[in-house]
Amino acid sequence: DAMVIQNPRYQVTQFGKPVTLSCSQTLNHNVMYWYQQKSSQAPKLLFHYYDKDFNNEADTPDNFQSRRPNTSFCFLDIRSPGLGDAAMYLCATSRGEATLREPQHFGDGTRLSIL
Amino acid sequence: KQEVTQIPAALSVPEGENLVLNCSFTDSAIYNLQWFRQDPGKGLTSLLLIQSSQREQTSGRLNASLDKSSGRSTLYIAASQPGDSATYLCAAGMDSSYKLIFGSGTRLLVRP
Repeated sequence: DAMVIQNPRYQVTQFGKPVTLSCSQTLNHNVMYWYQQKSSQAPKLLFHYYDKDFNNEADTPDNFQSRRPNTSFCFLDIRSPGLGDAAMYLCATSRGEATLREPQHFGDGTRLSIL
Repeated sequence: KQEVTQIPAALSVPEGENLVLNCSFTDSAIYNLQWFRQDPGKGLTSLLLIQSSQREQTSGRLNASLDKSSGRSTLYIAASQPGDSATYLCAAGMDSSYKLIFGSGTRLLVRP
C-alpha cells in the first residue's frame, strides 16, 4: 500500500544527458515537493506544486525543471546533469490544508548517479 | 534566514539506554517542528509533529518537545532498541508556503 512511489529507485545517466525522475501518489494530496539530498546533508527543497501552481525556490538551478500533469504524478527533469547533481532525489506530498498542520509523506527516493 | 542544526552528528549507545537528540533553530517564527526517521537508502518517515502552540508530542517510546523561545526541540527515545538505528532529522515548518527547513540529522546506532 505504498502511498508515494518514486521510479526508478536508482538512475544512472551520462554527464549532460537529460534525465527524468518520476513520482506518483495515491493520497490525492494537493501539494507535491521535490527535494535534493546529498550524502550526509539535509534535504534541500527544489520546488513544490500546490495543485497546478508551481513554486520554485530562489536558489534552484535553471537546469532543474518540473511538471505536474495531474494530481497523481509529478516529474523532475534535469536538462544537462553535471557531476554535482549526483544525489538522492526525494518526492513528498501533503494535503496542503490548514497551513502545515500535518506531516509531509515521502517516497523512498531515486538515487541519481552521473557518469 | 532559518537555519536548523542537529548535534551530535552521530551517536552510538548500548541497547536499553534512554537518549535525547537535539535540534536548534535560529528563527522562532515557525508553524511547527517535525521529526523524521531515515533508514539508509530510503526516504523519510514522519515520527512526530509539534505545532507551534504545543510544547510536546508523544508516540510510543518517542517524546518530542518544543521550546520556541530558546529555539530548541528535543527527541527523547526511551529504552532504545537496535531497530531504532537510523538517521533522525528535524525540520522547521515555516510560513504558509509549506516549506520545511531540515537539519543535517543525527545518525544513531543502538548496539545490541
